[in-house]
Amino acid sequence: QVQLQESGPGLVKPSETLSLTCAVSGYSIISPYYWGWIRQPPGEGLEWIGGVYHSGSTYYNPALKSRVTISLDTSKNQLSLKLISVTAADTAVYYCARLDDSSRTFNFDYWGRGTLVTVSS
Amino acid sequence: QSVLTQPPSVSAAPGQKVTISCSGSSSNIGNNYVSWYQQLPGTAPKLLIFASNKRPSGIPDRFSGSKSGTSATLGITGLQTGDEADYYCGTWDSSLSGYVFGTGTKVTVL
Repeated sequence: QVQLQESGPGLVKPSETLSLTCAVSGYSIISPYYWGWIRQPPGEGLEWIGGVYHSGSTYYNPALKSRVTISLDTSKNQLSLKLISVTAADTAVYYCARLDDSSRTFNFDYWGRGTLVTVSS
Repeated sequence: QSVLTQPPSVSAAPGQKVTISCSGSSSNIGNNYVSWYQQLPGTAPKLLIFASNKRPSGIPDRFSGSKSGTSATLGITGLQTGDEADYYCGTWDSSLSGYVFGTGTKVTVL
């Protein structure tokens, strides 16, 4: 059973960097899947942030691309998210998830429970 | 600003049926499969439908999906109070080279 668990600071100051990790268990992240990050501001909908393939190739939301870096740590079987120059608009629950793109089906089949990050001084 | 449009809310009595639409374009729904996610209050989204009309193991057949052109539809029959949740469609957008979610629909059981 694939399990994902997000972790990181729950409070980040404006203009600083948001850093989160997602520990994956029950599956190797070097297997041919895509691992992504999604966020959800309080009371709002889902927003795809971006993700990384097992090969290291990355895809980012164009609206966030200039501020986002997503990477894999194969030694720890985890992925990470860094978002620089944060503002209050980046306050959200952040989820990591696995994207199954086999046969171009493109579905997030496993999700973490999410972690709330608040941007405030 | 989501590129996939859903109605904000739908409602029906227990046992009835609801349908949720998801409207997109040729760069997303028109040329890719659609997924649907259920988000119960306070929880992470859960995959409900993939490849436009397939259900993962454990998802009851009360949930169904379809796609036609640049639109997709989620159907829920035999509505139960436990179905009260937010529902999102999602797919890959070839123009954006990224994943897009719908605006979300809140289902209320009257």
